[in-house]
Amino acid sequence: GDSVTQMEGPVTLSEEAFLTINCTYTATGYPSLFWYVQYPGEGLQLLLKATKADDKGSNKGFEATYRKETTSFHLEKGSVQVSDSAVYFCALGDSGAGSYQLTFGKGTKLSVIP
Amino acid sequence: EAQVTQNPRYLITVTGKKLTVTCSQNMNHEYMSWYRQDPGLGLRQIYYSMNVEVTDKGDVPEGYKVSRKEKRNFPLILESPSPNQTSLYFCASSFTENYGYTFGSGTRLTVV
Repeated sequence: GDSVTQMEGPVTLSEEAFLTINCTYTATGYPSLFWYVQYPGEGLQLLLKATKADDKGSNKGFEATYRKETTSFHLEKGSVQVSDSAVYFCALGDSGAGSYQLTFGKGTKLSVIP
Repeated sequence: EAQVTQNPRYLITVTGKKLTVTCSQNMNHEYMSWYRQDPGLGLRQIYYSMNVEVTDKGDVPEGYKVSRKEKRNFPLILESPSPNQTSLYFCASSFTENYGYTFGSGTRLTVV
């Protein structure tokens, strides 16, 4: 079945540092890929998405490129802020076999210190 | 404002007492889904629905029921809750499979 593997946290960075959170996937079809962010005490918010190979999703300074050859969708940001502290989830959406399911990675907690 | 509304936000109940968590969306979305979030396990899908009167099991459906009588509502029913159903529950909806889900704020359920 489909699965998503993302780097385990927690990740602690200083403000203005470069961020990479790795995400790889396995899927039988041609999935869409997503990054969600969860701030403390809140639900998940869609951060960015890519629906086909080589697409780049971007939002709020974050970006990720859909790499079919390496089955990866790594999240990057050039300069993190304290307000980026949250849990980040990589997810795969597969509409094969007439159904639609979203499969999540286990999440990576990011803490940014001043 | 486009949103997914879940109620209640917090619920403490006793083993065996039937409960319903409501979920409503105002975006005319076709797809709706329930997830539970547990430490170390991430988010796991309980049930999903692709349209009115069409529901299907996700990865962890045991002990739960759902219904989709109207497009906007997708309640989660626990007929006989047990302590292992203590969790944080999220309802979500989506327009299409490539659109990405919009999540509710969550319901923290404790079963004692």
